[in-house]
Amino acid sequence: SYVLTQPPSVPVAPGKTAIFTCGGDNIGRRGVHWYQQRPGQAPALVISHDSDRPSGIPERFSGSNSGNTATLTISRVEAGDEADYYCQVWNSGTDHYVFGTGSKLTVL
Amino acid sequence: QVQLVQSGPEVKKPGASVKVSCTTSGYSFTTSGINWVRQAPGQGLEWMGWISPYTGNTNYAQKLQARVTLTTDTSTSTAFLELRSLRSDDTAVYYCARGELPDPFDFWGQGTLVTVSS
Repeated sequence: SYVLTQPPSVPVAPGKTAIFTCGGDNIGRRGVHWYQQRPGQAPALVISHDSDRPSGIPERFSGSNSGNTATLTISRVEAGDEADYYCQVWNSGTDHYVFGTGSKLTVL
Repeated sequence: QVQLVQSGPEVKKPGASVKVSCTTSGYSFTTSGINWVRQAPGQGLEWMGWISPYTGNTNYAQKLQARVTLTTDTSTSTAFLELRSLRSDDTAVYYCARGELPDPFDFWGQGTLVTVSS
């Protein structure tokens, strides 16, 4: 099965840049979506199709995808960005969705 | 505005079944699929399956295929998840989320906690 690997923790100081990685075999050939899940809440889509921002998502959120790694970048991190972040792809080999293991953003 | 509102928490004994509902509003129910995702306590997200309210077609995660059934009621714009032969490791928050294969999930329900305990 297709596996997406994320680092468990991403610590960053306020105002700095947080970089989340999502590793998978040739993930650059797939469309990657990113979700933010604040404590006690449902996930919310923050980046779709590698780099598209849904309506209402700040420009501070951006994404890229190439080779074996997809990346979510949050610029000028704020305390309100503290959450778990999950990547997701559609695995056409099995016709199933796959989620990454998730990364917790800690604002120092 | 698009809303997905789920039924309340459930407590079930091992071996029982549970049925969770997801009532939608703010869009045409048959124009987009409904996915179900679960999250065990302190764990990550697990995709369970998808259903098209328009055709009734389904796509289940292989791991759960034998125990899960997804259905819809277009008259009430509601989707249902039924999980049978419950085990303790089925204890989780269950989410419905709007999305058409293979697109992302743009709106989510608030989640339903299902606790399986003897």
